[in-house]
Amino acid sequence: QQPVQSPQAVILREGEDAVINCSSSKALYSVHWYRQKHGEAPVFLMILLKGGEQKGHEKISASFNEKKQQSSLYLTASQLSYSGTYFCGTDQGGSNYQLIWGAGTKLIIKP
Amino acid sequence: DGGITQSPKYLFRKEGQNVTLSCEQNLNHDAMYWYRQDPGQGLRLIYYSQIVNDFQKGDIAEGYSVSREKKESFPLTVTSAQKNPTAFYLCASSSRPGQGGEYGYTFGSGTRLTVV
Repeated sequence: QQPVQSPQAVILREGEDAVINCSSSKALYSVHWYRQKHGEAPVFLMILLKGGEQKGHEKISASFNEKKQQSSLYLTASQLSYSGTYFCGTDQGGSNYQLIWGAGTKLIIKP
Repeated sequence: DGGITQSPKYLFRKEGQNVTLSCEQNLNHDAMYWYRQDPGQGLRLIYYSQIVNDFQKGDIAEGYSVSREKKESFPLTVTSAQKNPTAFYLCASSSRPGQGGEYGYTFGSGTRLTVV
């Protein structure tokens, strides 16, 4: 039931691109993306809804493939500030709006 | 500014003690959640509440208890029955989806609990 995130970790040089994937075996209503820096609370990045459009936030964008129940987070021209752990949270619909979280992808950006 | 306040930031517990972690929100959110995070791990749900005076167990509720007497407050008690409580605890809240179906979680800054 827990979505699978890949890769588990990635190391980039500043300016390089990265893709983080989140896959579910269940049909999804929405996918949420959050970033957590070490010792801090996760911060909301974006939500992708079933039937919705691809989202973008500065150089961070995401897509949601409903047929595959998979979402991808794209980080373009990565900056040092992008370092952290990225979590996807999946909503299977229903009345409780409860997210099920992936294990996270650790992103390290080096200068 | 609206947000979630967790306190204390750091907490030390002796063996056999109960401790209570505070979580207060002024976002007027209906739902509140408690998560446990261990080093290098994801978020595991302890308890959640969608309405005052009602709450549900999550995946790892054993050794924990909660109350929801007010919409704004959702304290978590770590009891002596929790044998390995050392972890980072996060409280979150969320609203009902808006007209477009969008919603998000807001997290507190966390409480780091250590058993001494």
